[in-house]
Amino acid sequence: KAGVTQTPRYLIKTRGQQVTLSCSPISGHRSVSWYQQTPGQGLQFLFEYFSETQRNKGNFPGRFSGRQFSNSRSEMNVSTLELGDSALYLCASSYRELGAGELFFGEGSRLTVL
Amino acid sequence: GESVGLHLPTLSVQEGDNSIINCAYSNSASDYFIWYKQESGKGPQFIIDIRSNMDKRQGQRVTVLLNKTVKHLSLQIAATQPGDSAVYFCAEEGTSGTYKYIFGTGTRLKVLA
Repeated sequence: KAGVTQTPRYLIKTRGQQVTLSCSPISGHRSVSWYQQTPGQGLQFLFEYFSETQRNKGNFPGRFSGRQFSNSRSEMNVSTLELGDSALYLCASSYRELGAGELFFGEGSRLTVL
Repeated sequence: GESVGLHLPTLSVQEGDNSIINCAYSNSASDYFIWYKQESGKGPQFIIDIRSNMDKRQGQRVTVLLNKTVKHLSLQIAATQPGDSAVYFCAEEGTSGTYKYIFGTGTRLKVLA
């Protein structure tokens, strides 16, 4: 069974640009979460989607947005990039519809903003 | 943020010894906890989980202990091996039904040959 796939793995952008990151969950998983990982702040929750609905959102500015498609694939977008957005963006999928459950993480997309 | 990691604590252990990694969680109402392992350049990998109605859970070479009184989790790794070298995170589901996990700052485990 294929794991969580994130693309691209690495990307470099400049301030003011926007970026779209993609995540394909494990087959059969309908929940997809996104986390930002930085050395200073650790792993911070961005948002969680289930069956195309955002169920929760973290404390990030409106420049950070996401969506989920009918096949459970998800994308996140960051507009008007700032230097502080440089981070590893991790996607995780889960089979759980309700309540807690194990998150299966992808390898991440490493974004560098210059 | 809810989980601030300014400095990553490091635990160095001799190969073959047991390792104990500790974590303090923030929400006394948290119902579910997970330990993750993250190797360099990779995403976090599930190790073991525990629900709040349990005090202890054992897996293969790993044991998680939960002390709800002091909001403390620990991960014990038996007979630590070089492949155990990684950063270990605890995570709690902040409030049941939020679908959001709060991660600890992480501990770097170094296994000495």
